[in-house]
Amino acid sequence: GNSVTQMEGPVTLSEEAFLTINCTYTATGYPSLFWYVQYPGEGLQLLLKATKADDKGSNKGFEATYRKETTSFHLEKGSVQVSDSAVYFCALTLYSSASKIIFGSGTRLSIRP
Amino acid sequence: GAVVSQHPSRVICKSGTSVKIECRSLDFQATTMFWYRQFPKQSLMLMATSNEGSKATYEQGVEKDKFLINHASLTLSTLTVTSAHPEDSSFYICSEKGAGTEAFFGQGTRLTVV
Repeated sequence: GNSVTQMEGPVTLSEEAFLTINCTYTATGYPSLFWYVQYPGEGLQLLLKATKADDKGSNKGFEATYRKETTSFHLEKGSVQVSDSAVYFCALTLYSSASKIIFGSGTRLSIRP
Repeated sequence: GAVVSQHPSRVICKSGTSVKIECRSLDFQATTMFWYRQFPKQSLMLMATSNEGSKATYEQGVEKDKFLINHASLTLSTLTVTSAHPEDSSFYICSEKGAGTEAFFGQGTRLTVV
């Protein structure tokens, strides 16, 4: 079946540190991959996405590359800010409006000033 | 702007009462909506897939008589938590997908049953 395995948190970093949150997936077919961010008490917001192998999604300084050979979609940011503190979810779905989204367990990120 | 509007954002109810949560599609007509539940510091658990004009499809372990889903129009899906108990307290989120793969989420509803 389809699944997402995500690096467990919490992750605590100092401001301006480099961030990596690992994500690997198992899927039949050709999934689209996503990173969602959830700020305290809020719903989910799409952070970035990639729909095919070797695509790189990027937004707000965050990047992730769809690696089919390693079935990975690791999230990176060169210099984190306090405002990046949130929970990050890696997710996948197949190409269909009726296909459900499968989420990883989420990684809580805290950035120290 | 928001694509999906979920209401209410917070609700406190007494044990034994029912609570209705609405999820509206603002920008397009959604034939399929998804309802998730999130426990504190945990991931999202898919509860059911709501199909316009037909019965919802529930995930294994989710009580369909407890969590009533209605998707009577292309722009509105509702989740009713019936005879709520404290263990039903949670964060509920709805979602819809466009024609492709991107999903849009509501703001979430924090339900507290006292």
